[in-house]
Amino acid sequence: EGLLLESGGGLVHPGGSLRLSCAASGFTFSYYEMNWVRQAPGKGLEWVSYINTVARTIYYADSVKGRFTISRDNAKNSLYLQMNSLRAEDTAVYYCVRQGNLREFDYWGQGTQVTVSS
Amino acid sequence: SYVLTQPPSVSVAPGETARIACGGNNIESKSVHWYQQKPGQAPVLVIYYDGERPSGIPERFSGSNSGNTATLTINRVEAGDEADYYCHVWDSTTDHVVFGGATKLTVL
Repeated sequence: EGLLLESGGGLVHPGGSLRLSCAASGFTFSYYEMNWVRQAPGKGLEWVSYINTVARTIYYADSVKGRFTISRDNAKNSLYLQMNSLRAEDTAVYYCVRQGNLREFDYWGQGTQVTVSS
Repeated sequence: SYVLTQPPSVSVAPGETARIACGGNNIESKSVHWYQQKPGQAPVLVIYYDGERPSGIPERFSGSNSGNTATLTINRVEAGDEADYYCHVWDSTTDHVVFGGATKLTVL
């Protein structure tokens, strides 16, 4: 059984930065591609970013490209999301998500709340 | 960019069959995955690769994909199935993940 535990969320002013972390356990982290998905209050799911197993292939949603950076440390079984130049519309619960072999999202963390407000 | 369209809501009586559609251009050429999300909880994968069920998901849940519409079917609906449901594909044209808008399933 996989377990994903996000941390690092909080309240930040517009233009500020935050770094989210996701600790993985219960599976071989280095074997799996990973994603970040967010959900604004009362809204649907929005994909944020993808990273492959060796961090050589990375994709971003247009809404965050140039501001967010995804990374991973396989030795520490951890996934990260560095978020810069934050905007009010980045306010959301951010989920760390494992991707299965058929591109399905088979394990989700419980999420960490990010609030961007002055 | 690729767009997935879901109805905002579906209502069904207990014991009946719920069908939730996910429309997209030639969606049958893509693998569709479905998630269930209950209030205050993280999403849970209920169907992957159009019609495969993860372990632990009841056989009442099934999926199909043809033409421009993928469908999540829930047989013998129970009160506990009340939730938001999302479809998901990978758009290889843009290398982006696409989610449909939520369909809120209400059990009458």
